[in-house]
Amino acid sequence: EAGVVQSPRYKIIEKKQPVAFWCNPISGHNTLYWYRQNLGQGPELLIRYENEEAVDDSQLPKDRFSAERLKGVDSTLKIQPAELGDSAVYLCASSISSGNEQFFGPGTRLTVL
Amino acid sequence: QKEVEQDPGPLSVPEGAIVSLNCTYSNSAFQYFMWYRQYSRKGPELLMYTYSSGNKEDGRFTAQVDKSSKYISLFIRDSQPSDSATYLCAMINTGKLIFGQGTTLQVKP
Repeated sequence: EAGVVQSPRYKIIEKKQPVAFWCNPISGHNTLYWYRQNLGQGPELLIRYENEEAVDDSQLPKDRFSAERLKGVDSTLKIQPAELGDSAVYLCASSISSGNEQFFGPGTRLTVL
Repeated sequence: QKEVEQDPGPLSVPEGAIVSLNCTYSNSAFQYFMWYRQYSRKGPELLMYTYSSGNKEDGRFTAQVDKSSKYISLFIRDSQPSDSATYLCAMINTGKLIFGQGTTLQVKP
């Protein structure tokens, strides 16, 4: 069974540029999560989807971050414009339903110059 | 103060040593306690999951929870170089996973 797929794996951009990350969860997993992991820190939840509905986006900086999961399967996280402090690893995870074990993808490592 | 505190290490031990990793937490509402392992350039993977106070054993790994002290531990017996990774404790609050900052472990052959 394929795991959570994320692309790109690495991204280097200049500040003020836009960037987008893509995630394809494990087949059949209804819940999808986006986390941000700063260097030397644990992951922090940005947004949680139940199917196509964002049920917890309280930690998403809505002035520059947006996310979508239009058909309740794959998802895109966007930052526009990027700031230096956005440099981090962006992890996607999925679970069969909320409260079940979360399976993480390998993450996208973003560097903002 | 963070809800979950974890000593970041790094921790370096010789192969075969017993390793003790610890976390403290402040929110008594936490009920589910997990340990994740994260290899370099990879996402975290669930290692152990406990609910109640006490010990849970799985092979060389033992998870311990003391709710009265708000303290959890992970013990690794007979540590192997392949155990070298970052270990993250995590707890669930209102359906949300709250992670510690992770402890980096290196097991030297």
